[in-house]
Amino acid sequence: LAKTTQPISMDSYEGQEVNITCSHNNIATNDYITWYQQFPSQGPRFIIQGYKTKVTNEVASLFIPADRKSSTLSLPRVSLSDTAVYYCLVGDRAAGNKLTFGGGTRVLVKP
Amino acid sequence: DAGVTQSPTHLIKTRGQHVTLRCSPISGHKSVSWYQQVLGQGPQFIFQYYEKEERGRGNFPDRFSARQFPNYSSELNVNALLLGDSALYLCASSRLLSNQPQHFGDGTRLSIL
Repeated sequence: LAKTTQPISMDSYEGQEVNITCSHNNIATNDYITWYQQFPSQGPRFIIQGYKTKVTNEVASLFIPADRKSSTLSLPRVSLSDTAVYYCLVGDRAAGNKLTFGGGTRVLVKP
Repeated sequence: DAGVTQSPTHLIKTRGQHVTLRCSPISGHKSVSWYQQVLGQGPQFIFQYYEKEERGRGNFPDRFSARQFPNYSSELNVNALLLGDSALYLCASSRLLSNQPQHFGDGTRLSIL
């Protein structure tokens, strides 16, 4: 499984855009990139998943460059409720349900 | 539809005891996975079950065991509890075996005294 590296923490302010970059230099051809969000005392919640280029849903965008060695999760116009830990995961979608979580990025949104 | 439900939400045990944690997946989901999350760290994979068969096991000692029932609910058992077993135990379900986005419950907080 490809190892991921992401910043330990980030601070932002309400209304700003937050971009979290994850490095995955050893990503394999069949690997997808998935992001989860976790609030204290709750289970992780799926945010977005992608393979290449750009993916957008109602809560976030995921940018993946052509070499796929990194990816950036973009959260538009964050609010205080977006304060959470964000995890970047890389794995083969057909390889089973084992998810390998790293340490995540703690995002603090300030008023 | 109800999400993944876990019981109990909190539990206090002492060293040497055993514990059983329970998980009910989302209706229609056949795969259940268990994770251990120690405070300040990301979740660590323990077990994966699909159609009542073990399909994956993480790097945990044999004190940890699990099973899945015909209704796809699951139990995680931990014997001879150690102080280091104190953690949030998360259950996740998905419809299929493949690594599709998983749906997590809010976990069982286990404290070992």
